Amino acid sequence: AIQMTQSPSSLSASVGDRITITCRASQYIRHDLDWYRQKPGKTPELLIYAASTLHSGVPPRFSGSAFATEFNLTISSLQPDDFASYYCLQTYAFPRAFGQGTRVHI
Amino acid sequence: EVQLLASGGDLVQPGGSLRLSCITSGFTLTDYAMTWVRQAPGKGLEWVSGFSGPEQSTHYSDSVKGRFIISRDNSKNTVYLQMNSLRADDTAVYYCARFGGQPYWGQGTMVSVSS
Repeated sequence: AIQMTQSPSSLSASVGDRITITCRASQYIRHDLDWYRQKPGKTPELLIYAASTLHSGVPPRFSGSAFATEFNLTISSLQPDDFASYYCLQTYAFPRAFGQGTRVHI
Repeated sequence: EVQLLASGGDLVQPGGSLRLSCITSGFTLTDYAMTWVRQAPGKGLEWVSGFSGPEQSTHYSDSVKGRFIISRDNSKNTVYLQMNSLRADDTAVYYCARFGGQPYWGQGTMVSVSS
């Protein structure tokens, strides 16, 4: 099964900061990777699909990029709503796999 | 309006069984990759099981393969997760989710495995 290694597991930041979260796949997955944000007590929300395509209604401060088996989620200017947990999800093969998650906190 | 309503979570002893249900509305079940995802208390998301493709093949994570069975009843617009030989590390909130196009998640149902 494909494994996703996400880093960092936790990140301290401030409003306005630029942050980057990384997921590495254990094998080639094309660009079949989604990014989700999960606010406390809520279900996950899709931010980006196909590694770099912004989901409808998602603010442009979110962006995704891919380099071989390494995938990045960048938030250009953190907003209060962004203090949450973030997960990548590989959609290349079954079984699917989430990264371990990144908690972004103040 | 798309809705997913998960139910069936309970406190069960190790080795026991439980069946979760996800009643859906607002879309055709077989048009999407219906999936179960779980989240242990204070932990991350874990993909558990799901359907794929026109043939609706079933898939499982290594951690539940051989113990869990996903199924559906199209006439009832419902997806099920039969969970057998439950272990303490199966304790989690179980979400049913619709993937493909706009994702939708149900609110989750809590499964606790403890003696």
